[in-house]
Amino acid sequence: GENVEQHPSTLSVQEGDSAVIKCTYSDSASNYFPWYKQELGKRPQLIIDIRSNVGEKKDQRIAVTLNKTAKHFSLHITETQPEDSAVYFCAASKGHTDKLIFGTGTRLQVFP
Amino acid sequence: NAGVTQTPKFRVLKTGQSMTLLCAQDMNHEYMYWYRQDPGMGLRLIHYSVGEGTTAKGEVPDGYNVSRLKKQNFLLGLESAAPSQTSVYFCASTKGLAQYFGPGTRLLVL
Repeated sequence: GENVEQHPSTLSVQEGDSAVIKCTYSDSASNYFPWYKQELGKRPQLIIDIRSNVGEKKDQRIAVTLNKTAKHFSLHITETQPEDSAVYFCAASKGHTDKLIFGTGTRLQVFP
Repeated sequence: NAGVTQTPKFRVLKTGQSMTLLCAQDMNHEYMYWYRQDPGMGLRLIHYSVGEGTTAKGEVPDGYNVSRLKKQNFLLGLESAAPSQTSVYFCASTKGLAQYFGPGTRLLVL
């Protein structure tokens, strides 16, 4: 079955710097890749997603890139702010209604 | 819309006790999921449902049962709780791709 690996497990950056979180997946049939942000004690919330027919997607300060050949995708956060501090999860699925398989999460800390 | 809701928010059980966690969604979503979240292990799928009256096993189904008698509700049951089932349980639902999560149920089994 699908396996998703996520790195790093923790990431500390200075406010204003960029942060990059990387995930690799094993099943070449996977074609949907969402990213979730989870603040302490809260539910995971979808922040951005990408489908396999697109190589990059941006939404203000966040972007996701996908390399289907290498089977990896990355989350990029620019101009980080303290409120970006949270745990971020990547996930992969084979599309419509298929199960999501999650990475183990990255704890991002943004220091003022 | 309330979105996805879960009850209870927090529960303490003794080993061997049983309980049911309730997930409800008012978005008319076909698909519903139960996950457990443990430190350092991300979100692991327990059971899921692709429609009213259907259920299927996920990655870690042992020790849990589920039912989807109504489209808007998805119940997760623990017949005989064990300390290894101490976790935070999240329900999610979707109509297509993006899954929307409930607020979670924190369960402690002593």
